[in-house]
Amino acid sequence: GAGVSQSPRYKVAKRGQDVALRCDPISGHVSLFWYQQALGQGPEFLTYFQNEAQLDKSGLPSDRFFAERPEGSVSTLKIQRTQQEDSAVYLCASSPYNTGGGNIQYFGAGTRLSVL
Amino acid sequence: GDSVTQMEGPVTLSEEAFLTINCTYTATGYPSLFWYVQYPGEGLQLLLKATKADDKGSNKGFEATYRKETTSFHLEKGSVQVSDSAVYFCALLGDDMRFGAGTRLTVKP
Repeated sequence: GAGVSQSPRYKVAKRGQDVALRCDPISGHVSLFWYQQALGQGPEFLTYFQNEAQLDKSGLPSDRFFAERPEGSVSTLKIQRTQQEDSAVYLCASSPYNTGGGNIQYFGAGTRLSVL
Repeated sequence: GDSVTQMEGPVTLSEEAFLTINCTYTATGYPSLFWYVQYPGEGLQLLLKATKADDKGSNKGFEATYRKETTSFHLEKGSVQVSDSAVYFCALLGDDMRFGAGTRLTVKP
């Protein structure tokens, strides 16, 4: 497709379960970002990839969160031993260039994670 | 660190009313500024952007001017439509992207 695709759209997990969220960026986009959006809040930065390199993971809230982009295209955000506070919408965005002034990010529709 | 503060919602307007959603920012350096819109069930879509002071971004009748002196990037539209009902996010791009909390707009016929 032409846009950023995320799957699944909805995920319900039991507390303690591991989950994996997938992001297919726009073909050829160099940069990929993950954000966490809590209910009623704006997106919060989690991590950033330039091709396959994870250049910034300062926003990951704990060591239970792990992201990868092994071939520089598809990315997976993994959350181990999920907790209720992990419930949020996880947004993926991609951008055609390295980060720089004015660089537009294109967002997917997100994965809504509910941890029971 | 960098941050964005935007007007709390929700905002409810009648069709053809004038819209202003305030946004102010704190940043070191010279960030780029954006407004994103999120329609129900969809991802964020770029509405407009400005990359330097005094730039005006505009799209679909919406406008925002990058005001360095007041560190603001207020969103305006002269005549809103029902189809403008959505959540609007102000954002800045410095070292990374920072978003405001969002403002929900409902336009009634």
